[in-house]
Formats: sequence, C-alpha cells, structure tokens
Amino acid sequence: TQLLEQSPQFLSIQEGENLTVYCNSSSVFSSLQWYRQEPGEGPVLLVTVVTGGEVKKLKRLTFQFGDARKDSSLHITAAQPGDTGLYLCAGEGGSEKLVFGKGTKLTVNP
Amino acid sequence: DAGVIQSPRHEVTEMGQEVTLRCKPISGHNSLFWYRQTMMRGLELLIYFNNNVPIDDSGMPEDRFSAKMPNASFSTLKIQPSEPRDSAVYFCASTSGLRNQPQHFGDGTRLSIL
Repeated sequence: TQLLEQSPQFLSIQEGENLTVYCNSSSVFSSLQWYRQEPGEGPVLLVTVVTGGEVKKLKRLTFQFGDARKDSSLHITAAQPGDTGLYLCAGEGGSEKLVFGKGTKLTVNP
Repeated sequence: DAGVIQSPRHEVTEMGQEVTLRCKPISGHNSLFWYRQTMMRGLELLIYFNNNVPIDDSGMPEDRFSAKMPNASFSTLKIQPSEPRDSAVYFCASTSGLRNQPQHFGDGTRLSIL
C-alpha cells in the first residue's frame, strides 16, 4: 500500500515568514500533485511535478520533486494571510488513482 | 465553465436512514472519483469510475455503501442504513483520464448522522 506522510500536520506563522512543508513516502510515484483546500471547498490543484529533481515555481511558492520520486517539498516565501489553507500532496502511482497525504494545515497570521 | 457539482451541500439525518449523495462531473471528463474526508483519516478514495464503469471499489467501507454511474453526467453514492461513524465530508472529483491531469473537485457534501 502506497502511503504519503506530510509534515508538519499544523503550522501557524506570522505574515512575512518563510515555511517548508514536506511530503514523504517509501514508494516511487510517477508524478506528484500539490493541492490547496480552503474551508467549505474542495481541493484545487496548485502544481504537478513529474521528473525526479524537478523544481517548479508559482509566484512565492516553490515545489520540488525528490530525485528518487519518493518525496516532495513546498516552500513558501514571505507568507501572506491569503496563503492560509490545507495543503495536500497526492501521488500518482501509474493508474488514475491518487494517494493523498493527510495534509498540512497552514495559518498565516497578519 | 461549470465545475463539478455536488448536492446536497449539507445533510443531517438520523442513523438508520438512507442517504443519497449526488454528483455531476465536468462535461467531457470520463473518470469520476468519490472521496471521504475526516480529520482522523484525511482524504480517502472510496470508488472510481472510468467511462461509467466502476474500476476500483476497494475503498468502499462496507456493504452499506454503494455507488452508481448510470451515465456520463451523473453519479450517486448511497449509504443504507447510515451510522454516526459515516459522518464526514464527501467529495466527488472528475478528470479527463489523461496522465498527470488534475482532479477537479466539487465543494463536497457535509454529512452528519445523528
């Protein structure tokens, strides 16, 4: 069974700080997706990483896929209150199914 | 373009009652997924369909849960009889079925079984 462990589970920081969220597994994934979920809504895709070692940037968000395609990280620079939400990583193992981590609940205080 | 549409948004009912959740996927998407989200277990895949055919139902908790997709634009998830431990947010998602494509989620149904 493929599992994705996310850490930390909860993170509360002040506006302007930097943070990193981790997503780890013992399994290899063909791709990894990061989603953000706000209260009362479904998850929304932020990015998909496919190649080992790949780095993608989305404004102040930087996503990295591990060389062995077993882990990923999300770094946010100068966090803003609008970044508040639940961040989920999801691995694709070769079929359409995604394996989701339990998420990191981020709160950015003004 | 309309996204994935789920109904109802909220459902409160007494244990033992039948519950039916509904989902309309994005037009043109041929894969549909049902998930359940709780604080303890996170987002769990219950079942998914491709071209209206159930492909993997290994996540369905027990026989009280059933899902159907009678056509490309409609799916239901039914719980009968419902139990308090079924309380959760249930999401439907659809995708084009191509590799590395995102899953598009509805806004979920918050189900409370009293």
